[in-house]
Amino acid sequence: EVQLLESGGGLEQPGGSLRLSCAASGFTFSTYAMNWVRQAPGKGLEWVSAISGSGESTSYADSVKGRFAIFRDNSRNTLYLQMNSLRAEDTAIYYCGKDLSSSWGGKGLDYWGQGTLVTVSS
Amino acid sequence: AIQMTQSPSSLSASVGDRVTITCRASQGLGDDLGWYQQKPGKAPKVLICDASTLQSGVPSRFSGSGSGTDFTLTISSLQPEDFATYYCLQDHSHPWTFGQGTKVEIK
Repeated sequence: EVQLLESGGGLEQPGGSLRLSCAASGFTFSTYAMNWVRQAPGKGLEWVSAISGSGESTSYADSVKGRFAIFRDNSRNTLYLQMNSLRAEDTAIYYCGKDLSSSWGGKGLDYWGQGTLVTVSS
Repeated sequence: AIQMTQSPSSLSASVGDRVTITCRASQGLGDDLGWYQQKPGKAPKVLICDASTLQSGVPSRFSGSGSGTDFTLTISSLQPEDFATYYCLQDHSHPWTFGQGTKVEIK
């Protein structure tokens, strides 16, 4: 059974940093691209970032480019999102998602974690 | 980035109704579009990928159609468990983009 478990959310001040983790199990982690998607309170879904199975390719939404970094440790079956220079508008539930396809570029997300809440406020 | 325009933003319908939700892309996607269902307090769930491929376990009352820039999600006979918010997602090119969502409410 595929499971994705996010952690690392919490309250952080504007300008601060947080690192989110997503522990994966139930599939060959290194084969699949992984993604982060966020949802601000009461708002829609926003795709944030993706990383290929090998970790060699990454992509970011314009809203986080230069501030967030996605990386993975395939030996630990764990996905990460390093969030720097946090802003109030980064407040959201952050979900990790497994790509449907094993090829970079993907086909959408077939499994999602339960999400972790990040609140940016002074 | 590719812009996705989803409509309507909300709708009220009764059990048994046929419901249609549309997404329009700012440029051609081929068939690189998926549909997701989200219930309050829960993570989204994929319903359809590649514009029309029903995911395993998804009821056959859900169907997707379209290609290029115009796509449709149809629920042929709305059931009580279908009241939720629906999103389209283009996975044609990074950055991926979601539609704004359609909240399906009980009439």
